[in-house]
Amino acid sequence: EVQLLESGGGLVQPGGSLRLSCEASGFTFDRYDMTWVRQAPGKGLEWVSLIGGGGGGTYYAGSVKGRFTISRDISKNTLYLQMNSLRAEDTAAYYCVKRTLESYMDVWGKGTTVTVSS
Amino acid sequence: DIVMTQTPLSLSVTPGEPASISCRSSRRLDEVISLDWYVQKPGQSPHVLLYRVSNLASGVPDRFSGSGSGTDFTLKISRVEAEDVGIYYCMQRVEFPLTFGQGTRLEIK
Repeated sequence: EVQLLESGGGLVQPGGSLRLSCEASGFTFDRYDMTWVRQAPGKGLEWVSLIGGGGGGTYYAGSVKGRFTISRDISKNTLYLQMNSLRAEDTAAYYCVKRTLESYMDVWGKGTTVTVSS
Repeated sequence: DIVMTQTPLSLSVTPGEPASISCRSSRRLDEVISLDWYVQKPGQSPHVLLYRVSNLASGVPDRFSGSGSGTDFTLKISRVEAEDVGIYYCMQRVEFPLTFGQGTRLEIK
């Protein structure tokens, strides 16, 4: 069974940093694009970042570019999102999502919550 | 960025009746018809309903259908059931940044 398990969320002060992790299982991790999608409380879905499968590139939403870094560790089947210079507007549930080879998002994790507040 | 605009933002439907959600993109999505639909049921993570405009994802009942081209796309539910409650999102993946519509909340009367 394909599974994605996020961790690393929590409460952080504005300007602080946090690293989210997403442990993947049940599929060949390196082969697929992986992405982060977030959802602020009571709001809609917002795509955050994507890392291409098979050594593909990285892409970011304008709202996080220069502050967030997506990466993956093939040996650990784990996706990361390093978040620096956090702002109140980064408060959200962060979902780790796998894309199919046709590039739609077919598997979503349960999410991890990030709260940026003093 | 490509802006995705959904209408209506909410709808209330009697079980057994049809429902329709529109999604309009600010730019044509013809190139590879990269428009998908997702639903987020209460308390759950989102999941895919339709990909590439009209292809049903695995396990999705055939009362769901999708159509459209260019800038205008539609999700239809032929006969709404109680389990269809949730927020429906369209999303384009023609180019980065990937963008979602605002979401349409479906309630059952």
